[in-house]
Amino acid sequence: AQSVTQLDSQVPVFEEAPVELRCNYSSSVSVYLFWYVQYPNQGLQLLLKYLSGSTLVKGINGFEAEFNKSQTSFHLRKPSVHISDTAEYFCAVSDLAGNTPLVFGKGTRLSVIA
Amino acid sequence: DAGITQSPRYKITETGRQVTLMCHQTWSHSYMFWYRQDLGHGLRLIYYSAAADITDKGEVPDGYVVSRSKTENFPLTLESATRSQTSVYFCASSDRSSNQPQHFGDGTRLSIL
Repeated sequence: AQSVTQLDSQVPVFEEAPVELRCNYSSSVSVYLFWYVQYPNQGLQLLLKYLSGSTLVKGINGFEAEFNKSQTSFHLRKPSVHISDTAEYFCAVSDLAGNTPLVFGKGTRLSVIA
Repeated sequence: DAGITQSPRYKITETGRQVTLMCHQTWSHSYMFWYRQDLGHGLRLIYYSAAADITDKGEVPDGYVVSRSKTENFPLTLESATRSQTSVYFCASSDRSSNQPQHFGDGTRLSIL
């Protein structure tokens, strides 16, 4: 079975500063990894995904994440945040075989301060 | 427009009542999911379905019933609502397998008094 730990429940950051949201996972098999974003009163939207290939994955809205197999991490980064990036961010993991659904972390609330 | 829609968006009911949350998707995705979102718990899977007439329990299935007679619909029923079931409920769908990216509805905010 897989599990996900998002190391920070809240991350405040000033506008135009860089940000990193941390995600660690646990799995005995190879995995797919995802980051989702949730804006207020909305459902989750896919931000980016790692399925295979390059360990640096680029997503929408200028976000990127790096898959590190040795550290079992998939941290999300953005070099310069905007007020509009204020949202809840969820990391998720699944096994390659598709035997079980995605497992989500508990989320990190990113607050961008003007 | 194609997508996944949930209804109602908001619902207030009383303990002991039966309530059904609806979910409809237009993509013909095989998989559909129900989650509840609570502060401090993130998203927790209630039930999921791999196809019509095939359903499986998730992490927190107790007190909930699902059915999937048609591919596009996946209703979630609380047979006798309890206050602990006050939550925001999200429906999602994915194509081909359960490990593919999921598409989410906008949620139903359910309050049980």
